[in-house]
Amino acid sequence: EADIYQTPRYLVIGTGKKITLECSQTMGHDKMYWYQQDPGMELHLIHYSYGVNSTEKGDLSSESTVSRIRTEHFPLTLESARPSHTSQYLCASSEMGTGGVAFFGQGTRLTVV
Amino acid sequence: AQTVTQSQPEMSVQEAETVTLSCTYDTSESDYYLFWYKQPPSRQMILVIRQEAYKQQNATENRFSVNFQKAAKSFSLKISDSQLGDAAMYFCAYIQGAQKLVFGQGTRLTINP
Repeated sequence: EADIYQTPRYLVIGTGKKITLECSQTMGHDKMYWYQQDPGMELHLIHYSYGVNSTEKGDLSSESTVSRIRTEHFPLTLESARPSHTSQYLCASSEMGTGGVAFFGQGTRLTVV
Repeated sequence: AQTVTQSQPEMSVQEAETVTLSCTYDTSESDYYLFWYKQPPSRQMILVIRQEAYKQQNATENRFSVNFQKAAKSFSLKISDSQLGDAAMYFCAYIQGAQKLVFGQGTRLTINP
C-alpha cells in the first residue's frame, strides 16, 4: 500500500467556487505530479515538482495552480471552478533518482455543476 | 521530446489465455527505465513491472513479463493465464534520469469469462 493520500475522494461543487485538492505523501519523495484523467482515458500531466519551491507546468494547459512549500505536500488549487474542470485528478510521487517508481494516490473525482 | 505510444486502445482475452499489450517509445537516450502500470476500475494505479534499459534480460513478475527490444524501441507486456482481476487500463511509461515520467495513451483490457 503506497503512502500517498488525496482528499477529498469525491467533490461536487458549484461554478465559481475556489477549490483545493490535497495530496500528501509520507515517503520523502522529491518528485510529485498532478495528472488529469477522464474515465478510461489517457493521463494528462498538468503540473509537476522536483522538490520544495519547485513547480513546473505539464504538457496539458490547466487553469489550476500548485505549490510545494513542504516536501510531503503538493496541493492543487482552482480559483474559480467551471464545468470544464470536471474530471478525475491523480497525484503521484517518486524518488528523484533514476528509475524511481511512481506511486499514485486514489484520485479526486471533481464535478463542477 | 520523449514519446510513448500504445497503439491498442482496447484488447480482450479469454480467461486463462495469454494476451500481449504493445508499447513503443521514442528516445535518443541509452539509459532509461520503462514501466507498465495497471489502473483497475475505480481503483488506485499500481506498478506492474519495471525494466532497466541497460539490462538485456526481460523483466518478469509472476504471470507478467515483458519483451524489451531496445533497438526497435519496443516494450510489450505479456499476461499469462489471464484472470478476471487483470481487467484494467494498462499504461506504458518511460523515464530517463531525473526527468518527468511520460505515459502512453493506455490500453483497456477486458477479460472474458
